[in-house]
Parts: sequence; C-alpha cells; structure tokens
Amino acid sequence: SSELTQDPTVSVSLGQTVRITCQGAGLRTYSASWYQQKPRQAPLLVIYGRNIRPSGIPDRFSGSRSGDTASLTITGAQAEDEADYYCCSRDTAGFQVFGGGTKLTVL
Amino acid sequence: QVQLQESGPGLVKPSGTLSLTCDVSGVSISSPNWWTWVRQAPGKGLEWIGEVHHTEITNYKASLKSRVTISVDKSKNQFSLSLTSVTAADTALYFCARDSVTEAGWWYFDVWGPGTLVAVSS
Repeated sequence: SSELTQDPTVSVSLGQTVRITCQGAGLRTYSASWYQQKPRQAPLLVIYGRNIRPSGIPDRFSGSRSGDTASLTITGAQAEDEADYYCCSRDTAGFQVFGGGTKLTVL
Repeated sequence: QVQLQESGPGLVKPSGTLSLTCDVSGVSISSPNWWTWVRQAPGKGLEWIGEVHHTEITNYKASLKSRVTISVDKSKNQFSLSLTSVTAADTALYFCARDSVTEAGWWYFDVWGPGTLVAVSS
C-alpha cells in the first residue's frame, strides 16, 4: 500500500477547475512534486516545490500544500489534460514514495 | 539538453537477475543530482525503487532492499540497476530519472528516460 493516498479517478468538465489531492504524513515535512503521465509515455513533471512550474507547463497548473495534504489544481481544464497524475514526496523515513495515481477524465 | 536512455534485456527468467543500464547524456553524472530508478507494472502506478549519488551513496525502497543494487559508472556516464531473484511481480516498465533538488530542499524528477519493458517469464 502507498503511503501517499490519491483518489483513483476524478472527472472535470471541459474548461472547469479540478483539484487532485494527495494525502500522507510525510507531507507535513516534505513538499510534493506532481507528474502527468499519458498512455505509453514517461511521466512529465508539472509542479514541484512551492508551486513551481517547469518551463513549458501551462499556467493553468498550480500546486499547494496544507498540513498532510498536497493538491494539484487545473484551472480551465483542457482535453489534453486527460491523463494519470501522480504525486511524489517522502515517507516518514525520508525515502521517496509515489501516490497511487489519479486518472483524470475531461468530459 | 539532458537525456536519459534505458537499456537491457526485455526478458528475464524467474529467479534470475534483472540488469538495466541508464545512459546519461548532456550532463555529467557527477553533477549534484541523484539518479533514480522507477518502475510501473502493467496497468499500475509508479513505484520508486531507489537512487544513487555519484559518491556511490544509495537509498532503496525498504521492501526491495534485499534484492536491489544501484550503482554508478562515472567513466561511462551511466548508472545501473540490478534486481535479483525476480518473479512475475517484477514485470514492469522500468524508468530511469534524474532527481534534482532546489536550494530550499524541494526534490523533483525533472528528466526521465522513455522506459524499457522487462518481462519475467520462463
């Protein structure tokens, strides 16, 4: 079982806002990074640290953290945002761990 | 431009050893990063396996620690994964990735290889 918990599936209507959450005790100490993965592709970093977007990631992607929960928000979801999203942080022992992933469907 | 590329056998027999290499280009493997292996079983999520620093310090997932070795070869600018006593449960897409960190201590995987599929079967 993963030490970071994500909802398995989330859906959003085109153009609306969606929040994907990630919960775990390690998040009280460590920041989260977020990855988008489309079928047959390697994961792509979309958010890390205190809401930092790598070059080329649209500004509709944002991140936040409060207590033991980190969130990835997509403001104005697009069809191309349909993908699996994974959070990553550290467990209470300090080792890296991924959440179980959230499959985002854009309706 | 930093690029990573995994290579190795696509088929390993049960109880055998899975060996993969990740070629690093565009940056020295001796740069201040960690180098990581992640896998993804068919239809499943991402699983962190472990990481190595160019100083040869390693960290492994606790449940795999008895079977995993990750090493670095600075002369070839590559790092490797060895997983012993494999079973069908080790069948997965294996990715190598660069683990970077900011001055604030925020960690992230910013460069990934395309992945290589390894099947464990007789």
